[in-house]
Formats: sequence, C-alpha cells, structure tokens
Amino acid sequence: NAGVTQTPKFQVLKTGQSMTLQCAQDMNHNSMYWYRQDPGMGLRLIYYSASEGTTDKGEVPNGYNVSRLNKREFSLRLESAAPSQTSVYFCAYGTSGTDTQYFGPGTRLTVL
Amino acid sequence: EDKVVQSPLSLVVHEGDTVTLNCSYEVTNFRSLLWYKQEKKAPTFLFMLTSSGIEKKSGRLSSILDKKELFSILNITATQTGDSAIYLCAVGNAGGTSYGKLTFGQGTILTVHP
Repeated sequence: NAGVTQTPKFQVLKTGQSMTLQCAQDMNHNSMYWYRQDPGMGLRLIYYSASEGTTDKGEVPNGYNVSRLNKREFSLRLESAAPSQTSVYFCAYGTSGTDTQYFGPGTRLTVL
Repeated sequence: EDKVVQSPLSLVVHEGDTVTLNCSYEVTNFRSLLWYKQEKKAPTFLFMLTSSGIEKKSGRLSSILDKKELFSILNITATQTGDSAIYLCAVGNAGGTSYGKLTFGQGTILTVHP
C-alpha cells in the first residue's frame, strides 16, 4: 500500500539493544496500528492510536512503547530487545467509520 | 476474549480448481468481518462484510457471512498460480469507542500448482 511507509525494511539486533521502527501514512487518517506477525499466528495487535495524541495497548504490548508524533507518524520502540521479539512488524492505518485497515510493507526484525 | 479460527490451515490445489476457505469467530460485539490476501509482503484488503447472507464478489473471489452460525467463507473459482497466498480473516469488535480493533485468525496458506 503506497499510502504507508515503514523503515527500516530489515534489522538485526543483539539481545538488550534498543531500536525504533518508523511508520508514516500520507492519507490523513486518524487511526494507526502496530501489529506483529509470527508463523501460524496471524497478526496480533501491539498498540494502536485512535487519533493524534492518544495511544492504547493491544493484545501483546509488553516490551514495546509507541509514540504518535503527529497525525502522519506512529513509531514503535523496543527498549531492550529480546529473542521473543523476532518477528515481522506491520504498521497500518484505518479509514474513518469502518474497520478496514491498510498495511505498510513491514519490517523484518531478528533479535539474536 | 475474541477468537477467530480459520480452516484449513493449508491447502494445495491445481490451477482451475475451486476452493472454499472457512472462518469461524467468537466475538462479544460483532461489527464486521474482513478478508485479506497476503503474498510476500503486506496484507491487502479483499472484502468487508457486515450483513448476513449478502455475498460480496470481486472477479473470481466471493465471500458470504452467516451471523447466526458465526462464520464466513471465501470462495475462489478457477484458481490461478497468482492466487497462491496466505488468506487472513479478521473480525471487528463494536465494543469501545473507536473502529478498527481487529482480531485476526491464523490464516490459510493456499498453494496453487500449474
């Protein structure tokens, strides 16, 4: 989806290192989401932001923090990475008044 | 806790076959059911269903929702190798104040051989 960009595309970290995953949408939508995807487990919601200045926990928030910097940007931070956080991370935005979400290309993160 | 279960988990067919993918759910306050297709990268949106018994159709793909029995099916007719992907089902919960809190199923991996 050209409306969502994520950086970086790939990242390898050592246990205990920190990093921030960046997400930006150019569609002027209020709601944004962070998911992780592990084999055989579909997508699980980490955090979401219904509008600029608000954030809420999803299903699997432990070990993560988020910042909704402005309407466009929603970042995900790992303060002290653990091997269990090895996953593919997707950012998404939601269209107003519906449940439909559109996803970015993803970040593949490996924690050694 | 909301729950979405897809079946089968994987499926191998040949070009030209018709396939049916299943999605059952348990949600406290159902609002919508969505289907996504995921190839190598990001999931792409296929359908959103909110009303029971009304079929959504796009080319060779179609989907229908049964709110009484709490399930949906995604049909793909005359399959092509380009249909090979993971198909994800998700359910939206009407509880709370904001749209878009989705619970996803595990996905069905479809492989179409020439």
